[in-house]
Amino acid sequence: EIVLTQSPGTLSLSPGERATLSCRASQSVSSSYLAWYQQKPGQAPRLLMYGASSRATGIPDRFSGSGSGTDFTLTISRLEPEDFAVYYCQQYGSSPLCSFGQGTKLEIK
Amino acid sequence: QITLKESGPTLVKPTQTLTLTCTFSGFSLSTSGMAVGWIRQPPGKALEWLTLIYWDDDKRFSPSLRSRLTITKDTSKSQVVLTVTNMAPVDTATYYCAHRSTIGKNAFDYWGLGTLVTVSS
Repeated sequence: EIVLTQSPGTLSLSPGERATLSCRASQSVSSSYLAWYQQKPGQAPRLLMYGASSRATGIPDRFSGSGSGTDFTLTISRLEPEDFAVYYCQQYGSSPLCSFGQGTKLEIK
Repeated sequence: QITLKESGPTLVKPTQTLTLTCTFSGFSLSTSGMAVGWIRQPPGKALEWLTLIYWDDDKRFSPSLRSRLTITKDTSKSQVVLTVTNMAPVDTATYYCAHRSTIGKNAFDYWGLGTLVTVSS
């Protein structure tokens, strides 16, 4: 069973800084099936990245994704106030069919 | 434009069966490649995938909850129904339905707003 571990659990940064979020899988995951979501309090998750590195519709280019195999990264190049939220990675296709990481909370320092 | 909306009870008693309906628009679940999934989130905790139903009626379940879950679709009504048997307080969560296409993004690209279900006597 694939387990996704996100780090850090909480990341404290200031607007304008660069954020690097990690998602590590216990077994290899196809890059085609690795996604990232953003969730703000009281809201449903929003798709940010799919296929590990493709931005979803309307996602600004300060967001980028990379990685392969067991190590994936979400990078936000210059944090805007609206970027402070919880971020989840998710894999699809391996047992279990679908699973999420435990999330990284990005908070304002 | 794709939209989804969850509906159902907000409060259920322990041991009862929960039935939630996802009503969607903007796509048809009879179209090849389409799928609808259910994901839940206990208060303050992470997302947990529950189940997924495909356009061809293939169904997949979380291994840990498989015995308690049922998912069905009514293409004519643009609805997907989730049932969870033997509810317990640990099942208290916001339940989301979401659209997925196996063509292209292969991710949950549209989500409902979610519905909070509390399990309490």
